[in-house]
Amino acid sequence: GQQLNQSPQSMFIQEGEDVSMNCTSSSIFNTWLWYKQDPGEGPVLLIALYKAGELTSNGRLTAQFGITRKDSFLNISASIPSDVGIYFCAGRWSGGSNYKLTFGKGTLLTVNP
Amino acid sequence: DVKVTQSSRYLVKRTGEKVFLECVQDMDHENMFWYRQDPGLGLRLIYFSYDVKMKEKGDIPEGYSVSREKKERFSLILESASTNQTSMYLCASSIQGSGLGTQYFGPGTRLTVL
Repeated sequence: GQQLNQSPQSMFIQEGEDVSMNCTSSSIFNTWLWYKQDPGEGPVLLIALYKAGELTSNGRLTAQFGITRKDSFLNISASIPSDVGIYFCAGRWSGGSNYKLTFGKGTLLTVNP
Repeated sequence: DVKVTQSSRYLVKRTGEKVFLECVQDMDHENMFWYRQDPGLGLRLIYFSYDVKMKEKGDIPEGYSVSREKKERFSLILESASTNQTSMYLCASSIQGSGLGTQYFGPGTRLTVL
């Protein structure tokens, strides 16, 4: 199946710093999604991207759908302690079904107050 | 807001028991999914359903079955639980037709099989 390479695997930052993470693939995706998962909870949708080049914000979070349709980026500005968690990317592969998603392995974010 | 609920947050069962995990969504979504999540392995699709009584195997269906008798409810069944089925189980739903694929997740069920 298709694979998404998410990096970095983990980040340890100071409160107030900006954060960047990304997902890449060798295949073209039609949808990119970013989720956050708190410990012991289910993933919560942060941002959904449906068009190449699209840049969408949700508060301090900004995500972009790469022009090549093979990557996506998530930025968090001015991090705060509650940003701690695992961030997942997910994509809907252009050659696959309309309902199945491919998931990255996640980026574990730790914020030091 | 989309709401996906799962019947239990934590379950402890014994090897060989039959286990039912229930999921309900309130947004009239056609598609529903069951995943398991394990450290280092990420999210893996067990089964999904695109309509009432319709189901398709995901990537790791062995040892599991599912039931969808009503549109809003999707059940995952472990016929004879084994210790290697100890995991976090996540249910999700998505709308059909728009083809955009955005899935909404429930809070998860942490299953321990002893």
